[in-house]
Amino acid sequence: IQLTQSPSSLSASLGDRVTITCRASQDIRIYLAWYQQKPGKAPKLLISGASRLESGVPSRFSGSGSGTDFTLTISSLQPEDFATYYCQQLNTYPPFTFGPGTKVDIK
Amino acid sequence: EVQLVQSESEVRKPGESLTISCKSSGYTFANYWIGWVRQMPGEGLEWMGLVHPSDSETTYSPSFRGLVTFSTDKSTNTAFLHWNSLRASDSAIYYCARPYSSGWSDPFDIWGRGTLVTVSS
Repeated sequence: IQLTQSPSSLSASLGDRVTITCRASQDIRIYLAWYQQKPGKAPKLLISGASRLESGVPSRFSGSGSGTDFTLTISSLQPEDFATYYCQQLNTYPPFTFGPGTKVDIK
Repeated sequence: EVQLVQSESEVRKPGESLTISCKSSGYTFANYWIGWVRQMPGEGLEWMGLVHPSDSETTYSPSFRGLVTFSTDKSTNTAFLHWNSLRASDSAIYYCARPYSSGWSDPFDIWGRGTLVTVSS
């Protein structure tokens, strides 16, 4: 299964609403996770099951979608949100593919 | 606190062997899969595969099968990633990670800090 993410990068301002899309080449039901990775750090799990927010993750993050099309939304971008975001499918293995990533930086 | 502590950075020459480690603490090691993820310089994340400490069952991504070996040692709660013969293209950061529950198809919520492997003549 191939995952594509769009855009590959984006520039946004503090307070902006940001939406990242992840598209799967086949139906993956809701078996999609989203991660945030900051430079020099390990990834951090934000969302599992396409829309379930992990404990401790701010509520400005949300996920939606099923089947082949998914979105990660940040409702109001904060300074600590500038990072690279990856989706991962966990429906069909091996491998449990990661998407290519979306880099969010400051406009 | 649940933790995965990875071994330090390594520098090797092409053709050499290498084993890096991932020591777990704060949970029952034998109950959870351990996964390995590669990140080449400036690139994205690549899922390499999983190993289960209870019986050493493994699953490898086709891209890594035959190139690396996963293993575990229950006596020390440690997982290992091994190369018999390194190539320059193996230069990357390697993360170990644990799924958030005991299922093999769950996303990783616990990550090590990564081990940088540099392969250069």
